[in-house]
Amino acid sequence: EAGVAQSPRYKIIEKRQSVAFWCNPISGHATLYWYQQILGQGPKLLIQFQNNGVVDDSQLPKDRFSAERLKGVDSTLKIQPAKLEDSAVYLCASSGNTIYFGEGSWLTVV
Amino acid sequence: GENVEQHPSTLSVQEGDSAVIKCTYSDSASNYFPWYKQELGKGPQLIIDIRSNVGEKKDQRIAVTLNKTAKHFSLHITETQPEDSAVYFCAATLSGGSYIPTFGRGTSLIVHP
Repeated sequence: EAGVAQSPRYKIIEKRQSVAFWCNPISGHATLYWYQQILGQGPKLLIQFQNNGVVDDSQLPKDRFSAERLKGVDSTLKIQPAKLEDSAVYLCASSGNTIYFGEGSWLTVV
Repeated sequence: GENVEQHPSTLSVQEGDSAVIKCTYSDSASNYFPWYKQELGKGPQLIIDIRSNVGEKKDQRIAVTLNKTAKHFSLHITETQPEDSAVYFCAATLSGGSYIPTFGRGTSLIVHP
């Protein structure tokens, strides 16, 4: 089966600019996650969707981060305006009985 | 919420040796414990998992053990090979429905040829 697809793989932006990441989960997976992984650390949950509803967004910095999952399939994560500390890998994952990750979108804010 | 501690942060072994990575969790309700391998530039890949109704699970050179009473679980890799070099993450969560895994900080495993 096809895995979790993410794009773009790499992005470099200046601080205060905006960026958007896209994720297509594994077909049939109702649950979708966005994680932030800072270099040298484990993934940290930003937001979890069940179909097109938000289950947990308690750790999402809502003043600058937003995410949506229209129609309960694809999802986008947006950062506006970006800060230097947002430099990280943004991992999308989906789950049926087990959670599977995409390759990640690497963001560098300069 | 759940808290997962993982040790060691770095593990260096010779090819052919065994490697053991240990994790502890805080929430006794957690019942699903996956392990992920992350190679440079890639996303975490599930390598093995264990549910709380079993104490041990093995898949070729990889095994995971779980001690529910002590709330700790371990990853064992035997006959290590250079391609085992990667960062390994443990996680703990409550399975079923909308579960949210909490990850350890990772162990960088280096296998020297």
